[in-house]
Amino acid sequence: GNSVTQMEGPVTLSEEAFLTINCTYTATGYPSLFWYVQYPGEGLQLLLKATKADDKGSNKGFEATYRKETTSFHLEKGSVQVSDSAVYFCALSDPSGRGGSNYKLTFGKGTLLTVNP
Amino acid sequence: KAGVTQTPRYLIKTRGQQVTLSCSPISGHRSVSWYQQTPGQGLQFLFEYFSETQRNKGNFPGRFSGRQFSNSRSEMNVSTLELGDSALYLCASSQDYPYEQYFGPGTRLTVT
Repeated sequence: GNSVTQMEGPVTLSEEAFLTINCTYTATGYPSLFWYVQYPGEGLQLLLKATKADDKGSNKGFEATYRKETTSFHLEKGSVQVSDSAVYFCALSDPSGRGGSNYKLTFGKGTLLTVNP
Repeated sequence: KAGVTQTPRYLIKTRGQQVTLSCSPISGHRSVSWYQQTPGQGLQFLFEYFSETQRNKGNFPGRFSGRQFSNSRSEMNVSTLELGDSALYLCASSQDYPYEQYFGPGTRLTVT
């Protein structure tokens, strides 16, 4: 079935450091890919998305490129801030409906990011 | 546009009781999904509704049920609560699958 694998956390960085959170996926069809962010005590917020190969999603300085050849969707930011401290989730939706993913998002386990001043 | 709203935000229940959680989707969204989030299991899919029809259900016991109304609002019910049902329950809405889902703030359920 479909699955998403994220790098293990936690990730601790200093302010203004470069961030990469790795995400790879397995899907039977041609999935759409998402990054969500969860701040403490809150629900998930959509950070960015990409719906086809080579698409680049971007928002608030974060970027991720849909790489079909490597089945990856790594999240990057050039200069993190303390306010970026949160848990980041990579997710996919599979319009083919195969792989057990009918009508649901498949999430990675999440990566906790802590940014120190 | 108003976002996804969930009520109540916090609940404390006793084992064996039942609970109903409510979700109001973004206006115009007809798909509503529910997820359970726990530290050990992460985000797990409960069910998805579209136009009052359940299109998919996750691997949860029959004690977990849901429904959707004609105005797209949704409720989920958990009967005979167990300690392991303590979790953050998240509702998400979407225009339809496989488009992006927008999440509410969640209902934090504690079972004692």
